[in-house]
Amino acid sequence: DGGITQSPKYLFRKEGQNVTLSCEQNLNHDAMYWYRQDPGQGLRLIYYSQIVNDFQKGDIAEGYSVSREKKESFPLTVTSAQKNPTAFYLCASREAQGARTDTQYFGPGTRLTVL
Amino acid sequence: GQSLEQPSEVTAVEGAIVQINCTYQTSGFYGLSWYQQHDGGAPTFLSYNGLDGLEETGRFSSFLSRSDSYGYLLLQELQMKDSASYFCAVRDQDNYGQNFVFGPGTRLSVLP
Repeated sequence: DGGITQSPKYLFRKEGQNVTLSCEQNLNHDAMYWYRQDPGQGLRLIYYSQIVNDFQKGDIAEGYSVSREKKESFPLTVTSAQKNPTAFYLCASREAQGARTDTQYFGPGTRLTVL
Repeated sequence: GQSLEQPSEVTAVEGAIVQINCTYQTSGFYGLSWYQQHDGGAPTFLSYNGLDGLEETGRFSSFLSRSDSYGYLLLQELQMKDSASYFCAVRDQDNYGQNFVFGPGTRLSVLP
């Protein structure tokens, strides 16, 4: 079955540590996105990538980094520079090239808690 | 900057019809999307409007008026499983047309 997977589902981090969240898709989509969601809030764009080896900052990129070495994979690193990293992180993908809609497909999310 | 506004909460009974409004202010505009998110889950796509008018998908319909910067999601024959948060989202011209901005969400409670 095609879809997006994220791991781990829950992640606990000590202050000062970097952590990497995994996102993999087998939908053959060109574009991938990382969002952050805080309790009771909407989604905010952290980073996005339209093609391999290229990515752009979203609205809240400070304290985060990404890579796009393969079309299927778009890992997100939450660095120690991120002041308040506790949140629900969602990865999404979109067909992009030739797409007639803006449909994004989301992974199940990773809930990060800083201890 | 970009901003979207939605009502924070809506309550309705099973079998009823409910409308969730969304107004937006963005720098350029490509389309309005709607997503459903159950507690603890991931958002799932419901509907998209790239042009003015009504789009119908089963019990869900969505409407867009570009001149009014306004859209709505219409849910008919409400079921208990429709209790969730609903987000509108727009794609605007920032970041090479890849900037997606989500509204704050509307929490729908369906009562028996």
